[in-house]
Amino acid sequence: AQSVTQLDSHVSVSEGTPVLLRCNYSSSYSPSLFWYVQHPNKGLQLLLKYTSAATLVKGINGFEAEFKKSETSFHLTKPSAHMSDAAEYFCVVSDRVSSGSARQLTFGSGTQLTVLP
Amino acid sequence: DSGVTQTPKHLITATGQRVTLRCSPRSGDLSVYWYQQSLDQGLQFLIQYYNGEERAKGNILERFSAQQFPDLHSELNLSSLELGDSALYFCASSVSPDSNRGNEQFFGPGTRLTVL
Repeated sequence: AQSVTQLDSHVSVSEGTPVLLRCNYSSSYSPSLFWYVQHPNKGLQLLLKYTSAATLVKGINGFEAEFKKSETSFHLTKPSAHMSDAAEYFCVVSDRVSSGSARQLTFGSGTQLTVLP
Repeated sequence: DSGVTQTPKHLITATGQRVTLRCSPRSGDLSVYWYQQSLDQGLQFLIQYYNGEERAKGNILERFSAQQFPDLHSELNLSSLELGDSALYFCASSVSPDSNRGNEQFFGPGTRLTVL
C-alpha cells in the first residue's frame, strides 16, 4: 500500500527566506509524486509533478522539489518566500494499489505554511 | 480557475437527509474523481468515473454513490446523512483514466457540506 508522510503540520518562515516542506512516501510500484497547494476557500492547484524523468522538478511560482529514491523523499523548496505563498501544501503519491489496478492518489496530511512579514 | 465547476458551493442539511453534489469536468476531460476533505480524515479519494463507467473505488461509504452522465458531468449522492459527513467535497477531472504516470488532476473549488 502507498502512503505519504508530511513531517511538519505547520511551517512558519519570514518573507524573503527559504521554504522547506518535507515529504516522505512509500509505494510498492512506480509512483508519480505531486505537490498541490490549497489557498483558503479554494480548490487544489498543482505546483509540480515527478514522473520518472528528471529528479529535480521545477514548478510554478518558483517552487521546486527533488525526488530522492534512496531516501523515499520528495521535499518542496523555494529560495525566497512571498506573502502570497501562505497556504496549505499537500504532498501526493499516485500509484497502483495492486498489480493491474487503477492508479489512485494518496494525499499527505498537509503542511500549513505561514509567511511572516 | 481550473475549469472544473461544482455546485452548490455550500449545503446545509439535517441528519438523515439526502443530498446531491454536482460536478462538471474541464472540457475534454473524460475522468472525474470525487474526494472528501475533513478535519479528522484529511483528503480521501472516494471514487472515480471514466467516460461514464466506474473506474476505481476508494474509501466510499455504502450510503454514498456517484454516477457520470453521457455529457460527462458527475453527481455524488450522499444519503442517510450523519454529523460526521460534514466535510468539503472536491471533484477533480483529468484527460485520461490512469494509465499515464503523470496524469494530472484538476480540482474544482469544492462543495462545503454541513450536516446539523
